[in-house]
Amino acid sequence: DAGVIQSPRHEVTEMGQEVTLRCKPISGHNSLFWYRQTMMRGLELLIYFNNNVPIDDSGMPEDRFSAKMPNASFSTLKIQPSEPRDSAVYFCASSLGLLAGETQYFGPGTRLLVL
Amino acid sequence: AQSVTQLDSHVSVSEGTPVLLRCNYSSSYSPSLFWYVQHPNKGLQLLLKYTSAATLVKGINGFEAEFKKSETSFHLTKPSAHMSDAAEYFCVVQIYGGSQGNLIFGKGTKLSVKP
Repeated sequence: DAGVIQSPRHEVTEMGQEVTLRCKPISGHNSLFWYRQTMMRGLELLIYFNNNVPIDDSGMPEDRFSAKMPNASFSTLKIQPSEPRDSAVYFCASSLGLLAGETQYFGPGTRLLVL
Repeated sequence: AQSVTQLDSHVSVSEGTPVLLRCNYSSSYSPSLFWYVQHPNKGLQLLLKYTSAATLVKGINGFEAEFKKSETSFHLTKPSAHMSDAAEYFCVVQIYGGSQGNLIFGKGTKLSVKP
């Protein structure tokens, strides 16, 4: 039974380049979350979707960040243009829904380094 | 507003001795609480969760946590540490209300296990 799948696992890019991170949630899960983890700020929720619809994007740092979920089995997080301060580990998580106590299952993360 | 405080950023124990990782929460409602573990360069894995059922919650790998409403605590314990328990542990509270489904993460406690 596959868990949450993220690609790529590692990404090194230069400042100003576009970066696209990909996520495949667990089949049957209706909610998808994007998080960012840094030493300074810990784990932060960026955006989450329910039934492919963005519910709350208040955690997205600025307009350079965008996320889409075109269907129930795929989501992307795009950074354009990228900056060195975007270097972090980006996690995708999915859950059955948004009910109280619902468990979120995390992917292995994408480690992004912007030079 | 909901929040969570992990009282120790780093805990060091010897193999075979008990583990105690402390967590206090703040919530206007009866909370859902979680403990996640993150091994180096890995994603987050759910250890256990409390969702207003039994106050003593048993999780994977011999861990358990007790919900104490009077103390607003949800400390994680294990009777005997194993080398493989060395990891970072996150206490998490679930938000209710307008952003239902969101998780608020503590800053993490890094557990070291000495041979």
